[in-house]
Amino acid sequence: GENVEQHPSTLSVQEGDSAVIKCTYSDSASNYFPWYKQELGKRPQLIIDIRSNVGEKKDQRIAVTLNKTAKHFSLHITETQPEDSAVYFCAAKRVFGNEKLTFGTGTRLTIIP
Amino acid sequence: DSGVTQTPKHLITATGQRVTLRCSPRSGDLSVYWYQQSLDQGLQFLIQYYNGEERAKGNILERFSAQQFPDLHSELNLSSLELGDSALYFCASSVGDTGAYEQYFGPGTRLTVT
Repeated sequence: GENVEQHPSTLSVQEGDSAVIKCTYSDSASNYFPWYKQELGKRPQLIIDIRSNVGEKKDQRIAVTLNKTAKHFSLHITETQPEDSAVYFCAAKRVFGNEKLTFGTGTRLTIIP
Repeated sequence: DSGVTQTPKHLITATGQRVTLRCSPRSGDLSVYWYQQSLDQGLQFLIQYYNGEERAKGNILERFSAQQFPDLHSELNLSSLELGDSALYFCASSVGDTGAYEQYFGPGTRLTVT
């Protein structure tokens, strides 16, 4: 089955700086890669996703890049703000078939004012 | 608000007891997924249902079971509860069983076993 590794487990950045979280996956057939943000005690919320037919996707201050050859994808947050502090999870799955969504172990991001 | 609802929000019960968690998916979604999140841990996939049928199984204990009803709501039954079952239980829903569509999470049920 799919295995997703996520790094780092914790990340602290100064407000206004950029944050990068990286994930690698094992199943070369995976072709859907969402990112979720989870604030303390709340539900995971989908913030951006990418499919394997594109290499990069951007939504305002958030971007995701995908390298299919190396089987890794990354979340980039620019101009970080205090409200970006949360736990971020990457995930991977095959779009077609009954494979489950496999999550990474999460990154606790802290924005230092 | 994702449109996925879960009840109850909080549940406190004793070891050895049985509880039922309920989830209503977003309107139009046919797939329901259940996840367990222990304190400061990641999301562990338990089970998936699509239009009333079980479609995928993850790390679900034999003491746990689930079902999806004709109106598409789902219930997760946890029995012979142990202290280690204390966790946040999330359900999520999506349009199709292939997972081609995004999963939207409910607010979760916090289960405390004493």
